[in-house]
Amino acid sequence: GDSVTQMEGPVTLSEEAFLTINCTYTATGYPSLFWYVQYPGEGLQLLLKATKADDKGSNKGFEATYRKETTSFHLEKGSVQVSDSAVYFCALNLGTSYGKLTFGQGTILTVHP
Amino acid sequence: DGGITQSPKYLFRKEGQNVTLSCEQNLNHDAMYWYRQDPGQGLRLIYYSQIVNDFQKGDIAEGYSVSREKKESFPLTVTSAQKNPTAFYLCASSGLAAGEQYFGPGTRLTVT
Repeated sequence: GDSVTQMEGPVTLSEEAFLTINCTYTATGYPSLFWYVQYPGEGLQLLLKATKADDKGSNKGFEATYRKETTSFHLEKGSVQVSDSAVYFCALNLGTSYGKLTFGQGTILTVHP
Repeated sequence: DGGITQSPKYLFRKEGQNVTLSCEQNLNHDAMYWYRQDPGQGLRLIYYSQIVNDFQKGDIAEGYSVSREKKESFPLTVTSAQKNPTAFYLCASSGLAAGEQYFGPGTRLTVT
């Protein structure tokens, strides 16, 4: 079946450090890929997305590139802030079931001053 | 302001009781979803609905029930048949952009 695998957390960084959170997927078709973020005590928010191979999604300094050859969608940010501390979820949608998302297990990011 | 509301934020129940979690959206979205979140397991889909009066089971529907009588509302009932109901429950909705879901703030249910 379809699945998403994220790097194990938690990830702990100092402010202004470079961030990478790895995400790989298995899918039977050509999925759209997403990163969602969950701040403490809240629901999820869409961070960025990419709908086809080689697309780059970006938002708030975060970027991820849809790599079909490696079935990956790694999240990166050049300089993290304390306010980026949250749980990050990678997800895919195949478009066959109306809007249905398959999520990875989430990666906890903590950024220290 | 458009968005999704879930109530209450915290809910406590005794084992053996049914409990209903509320979810309302004013985004005019057709599709709505219920997820369960447990530590280290990501989000798991319980039920989803694409239109009024129709809904489908997700990956972990056993012990749960839903209704969709209005476009704006998608309540979830956690029944006594759910063996491990303590969890964080998230409701979401989506429009035409596949995969772009809008989430409510969640309800943390504790059953003792």
